[in-house]
Amino acid sequence: DAGITQSPRHKVTETGTPVTLRCHQTENHRYMYWYRQDPGHGLRLIHYSYGVKDTDKGEVSDGYSVSRSKTEDFLLTLESATSSQTSVYFCAISGQYSGNTIYFGEGSWLTVV
Amino acid sequence: TQLLEQSPQFLSIQEGENLTVYCNSSSVFSSLQWYRQEPGEGPVLLVTVVTGGEVKKLKRLTFQFGDARKDSSLHITAAQPGDTGLYLCAGVKTSYDKVIFGPGTSLSVIP
Repeated sequence: DAGITQSPRHKVTETGTPVTLRCHQTENHRYMYWYRQDPGHGLRLIHYSYGVKDTDKGEVSDGYSVSRSKTEDFLLTLESATSSQTSVYFCAISGQYSGNTIYFGEGSWLTVV
Repeated sequence: TQLLEQSPQFLSIQEGENLTVYCNSSSVFSSLQWYRQEPGEGPVLLVTVVTGGEVKKLKRLTFQFGDARKDSSLHITAAQPGDTGLYLCAGVKTSYDKVIFGPGTSLSVIP
């Protein structure tokens, strides 16, 4: 296991409420990523971070924000959840010692009703 | 536009059969990776190929990187039910770029 913990693992929330997903790593890897996975779309990058307080947008960043105040933690926030954000969210990490290999967390299942 | 295409999208075969999954692009990649994802879990790395024409074997799985470094294939010999899962290819154009994932091939091996 690559030392990645996601929380919560499962959540049901109502439309319009804020939601924060947390990713915690124990590997001291530089890069952290948030992906969502939906049938027919594969893995899509939401946001990524290349260091503390250094983040950038991925291909599906609208409606999401991120923060990284410590190397080990990367937070994904849905400011006002919508039903289209119902998905499985994966956190991933990579670093100079892993080459280009990305290690994934176990996923967070989010349902917006 | 998908920079990495995978085919077939779905594959259902009988135990013991052989199969090949393809990953194609019009772009050149410095390396390509294959991941397998089982239901309810995150993707797990199977192999990384970095040299054009490279062939790597992992038990019954054979991975090949195209000579031009634009495509890759995964061949499974004598498939088993435990091979069932989503197979994802991923590529990096340069060491400074983000990893790009293909849409995946969903494999089902029927006992």
